[in-house]
Amino acid sequence: DSGVTQTPKHLITATGQRVTLRCSPRSGDLSVYWYQQSLDQGLQFLIQYYNGEERAKGNILERFSAQQFPDLHSELNLSSLELGDSALYFCASSVSSGGATEQFFGPGTRLTVL
Amino acid sequence: GNSVTQMEGPVTLSEEAFLTINCTYTATGYPSLFWYVQYPGEGLQLLLKATKADDKGSNKGFEATYRKETTSFHLEKGSVQVSDSAVYFCALSEMNTGFQKLVFGTGTRLLVSP
Repeated sequence: DSGVTQTPKHLITATGQRVTLRCSPRSGDLSVYWYQQSLDQGLQFLIQYYNGEERAKGNILERFSAQQFPDLHSELNLSSLELGDSALYFCASSVSSGGATEQFFGPGTRLTVL
Repeated sequence: GNSVTQMEGPVTLSEEAFLTINCTYTATGYPSLFWYVQYPGEGLQLLLKATKADDKGSNKGFEATYRKETTSFHLEKGSVQVSDSAVYFCALSEMNTGFQKLVFGTGTRLLVSP
């Protein structure tokens, strides 16, 4: 158990809908990262927050947004969902944001868009 | 941009066989290098890391050496066990305005049979 929790574990929805994925980092971790894992794109970095502020952006679509709240939990919002958004979404956290900092991954949320 | 290339899987071995999973990278600057492992149904876990050239990371019998001259970070284990069956990801840490962003390879599935 990494100490990172994600809810829900599974999510099934329809095209055009909007969903929210939630992540609680390990106690004391200030950085939260979101990743998307799909069969065709592999594991891709989406976005990082540090202590409530957005710090780095990867291949995140404009239909997706995220935020980190004062209690450090984070939410990833996915809107106008398309079939291609079906994937496993991971959250990770770390104490700091240095180059060799270990990231601890949650178990993921599996999103299926029908 | 920065990238990581891993050997295609699956890699199928018998218990106690020697394992090598190749990983090469392209990067500007001096990234940190990581191997993460993903067991079925779980998130990724850090297996080992190396932060500078000629560093050797090791954990649970696995080893990898940061080779700057060949831009490689191959994963090795002298004697694999059935419990090592998992997907292994090579990654580099890309510093983006001072904040870490991990770039992952496509993953290599290892299957170990008794």
